[in-house]
Amino acid sequence: ETGVTQTPRHLVMGMTNKKSLKCEQHLGHNAMYWYKQSAKKPLELMFVYNFKEQTENNSVPSRFSPECPNSSHLFLHLHTLQPEDSALYLCASSQDRGPYEQYFGPGTRLTVT
Amino acid sequence: QKEVEQNSGPLSVPEGAIASLNCTYSDRGSQSFFWYRQYSGKSPELIMFIYSNGDKEDGRFTAQLNKASQYVSLLIRDSQPSDSATYLCAVILGNQFYFGTGTSLTVIP
Repeated sequence: ETGVTQTPRHLVMGMTNKKSLKCEQHLGHNAMYWYKQSAKKPLELMFVYNFKEQTENNSVPSRFSPECPNSSHLFLHLHTLQPEDSALYLCASSQDRGPYEQYFGPGTRLTVT
Repeated sequence: QKEVEQNSGPLSVPEGAIASLNCTYSDRGSQSFFWYRQYSGKSPELIMFIYSNGDKEDGRFTAQLNKASQYVSLLIRDSQPSDSATYLCAVILGNQFYFGTGTSLTVIP
């Protein structure tokens, strides 16, 4: 596989469920990102990892928990979400955390019921 | 003031025309500028980036950067229905990546 992949592509979960989103990049990049995209809003940066270390957490609620075991894999663990968390969750990667273009995965469409 | 501003549109152009998309940014220190295309229900796809003042051409796409006026634009020549999408402008300042809300473009056959 090439580029950035994400699984699952669609997820429906109840507010009491626990689920995880997975992202994998095959580009040899060192930085990985989680974004949230809601309708009519700009992309919201959630978390940044550079060389497996979390460098940014943009005031994201604790019900979202990221994990980066290595530079190629990124997870977003979800628990006790709210209906307003329903959105498209996008993973991206770039060469490093710096002025480099980012490449996006296909996204996970999350619906919280 | 938002870091990156775009007219949300929708912008409609007839097939074969030139579509002009504009983006303004607030910080003169911004260094790198990107245009992404996002089809409905899909993820953003990088189509152009520009670092220096002036024009950069790639096929039917031309990015124009004017740092003095703090705007970056994207021209799409010979617009095709397949160009119908939302176009996101992104700006890097320091290590921060800022996206605009996007401009919706419809190319009418």
